[in-house]
Amino acid sequence: QKEVEQNSGPLSVPEGAIASLNCTYSDRGSQSFFWYRQYSGKSPELIMFIYSNGDKEDGRFTAQLNKASQYVSLLIRDSQPSDSATYLCAVRGAGTASKLTFGTGTRLQVTL
Amino acid sequence: DTGVSQNPRHKITKRGQNVTFRCDPISEHNRLYWYRQTLGQGPEFLTYFQNEAQLEKSRLLSDRFSAERPKGSFSTLEIQRTEQGDSAMYLCASSLYDLSYNEQFFGPGTRLTVL
Repeated sequence: QKEVEQNSGPLSVPEGAIASLNCTYSDRGSQSFFWYRQYSGKSPELIMFIYSNGDKEDGRFTAQLNKASQYVSLLIRDSQPSDSATYLCAVRGAGTASKLTFGTGTRLQVTL
Repeated sequence: DTGVSQNPRHKITKRGQNVTFRCDPISEHNRLYWYRQTLGQGPEFLTYFQNEAQLEKSRLLSDRFSAERPKGSFSTLEIQRTEQGDSAMYLCASSLYDLSYNEQFFGPGTRLTVL
């Protein structure tokens, strides 16, 4: 079992729709969770982080965390063509661990 | 520009040559990380520093790889006797040490091609 799992996609949504991106992780002691956006050929860009169960909203983005189910998701409302990118889920482990463990990413395509 | 910077942005080398990459973190950040990313994969952790101390190294970091952060500011990653399997994007990130969040911000990366 991979430490952080994501569906590779592509996930195709029409412009204006809600895109839902999912991620599961194996380390039950993981403390904080990050979503990065990566355009083709570019480096990852931090979108949001979450560390408590529940929802966290920032503009069109909502991160959701369920530690009991070891599940984190990212919702993108009113999807735009400029949101087309690969979305990487990253997890910071337990204790004083500092490194991030990334999933392979989900490719999102927002169609006109 | 106050973000993470990396140089060079691209490097093409022949197998067996040594290469060195540089990373300049965000100025107030005391933690600096190196990751490697290959096509279709997420970044994989290589090593990280807190100030000048190298605190963790991945098993991925073979003895051909060495990283330094001599004065706790910029860092260098050297690969000796490069192999074709070293071809990847090498990413540097920095963060301000915090027990809860540890938000890491990435530089633009150095793309290495080993011929």
